[in-house]
Amino acid sequence: QKEVEQDPGPLSVPEGAIVSLNCTYSNSAFQYFMWYRQYSRKGPELLMYTYSSGNKEDGRFTAQVDKSSKYISLFIRDSQPSDSATYLCAMSEPSGTYKYIFGTGTRLKVLA
Amino acid sequence: NAGVTQTPKFQVLKTGQSMTLQCAQDMNHNSMYWYRQDPGMGLRLIYYSASEGTTDKGEVPNGYNVSRLNKREFSLRLESAAPSQTSVYFCASRTLQVAQETQYFGPGTRLLVL
Repeated sequence: QKEVEQDPGPLSVPEGAIVSLNCTYSNSAFQYFMWYRQYSRKGPELLMYTYSSGNKEDGRFTAQVDKSSKYISLFIRDSQPSDSATYLCAMSEPSGTYKYIFGTGTRLKVLA
Repeated sequence: NAGVTQTPKFQVLKTGQSMTLQCAQDMNHNSMYWYRQDPGMGLRLIYYSASEGTTDKGEVPNGYNVSRLNKREFSLRLESAAPSQTSVYFCASRTLQVAQETQYFGPGTRLLVL
């Protein structure tokens, strides 16, 4: 079993839809949770960062962490064609371990 | 402020050839990383450098070597390239700011080994 599982998609939604992207994990020691967006033929760019449990909102994006279920989510409201990309979740243990574990990514297409 | 830069952007090698991928960051980060990204496999850590002067193996280190030349630069070397090393390679650096610990990625190097 992989430490981090992510549905690869592709996920196609109409413009304006609410998108929900998810990852599950098995390592209860993970404390830092991140979402990266990767456009085609580009490097991943940090979208959201959350420490431990709870929600974090930034514009149209909301990240949720449920440590009891070992489940993290990224919600995109009012999705736009420019949101079409691959979304990668990433996790790490507390500072000092240096290693990050990435999901395989979910490909999202927002149709105009 | 260029962030993380990588050279070359694209490279074609023949089996057995060697090459070095270069990475530099101007954000004064201590930690730097090399990943490879393959379809369906996600990002896999090859090597990392927690600080200047130290390097450690990641998940898939075989066939690679690294050098942390100084705080800014971290290079990845393929001594004898194999077709299985065809991939997209990303360099990243990590900030240690409290409550904002995360990695920043370069644009990638696409490597094709024939």
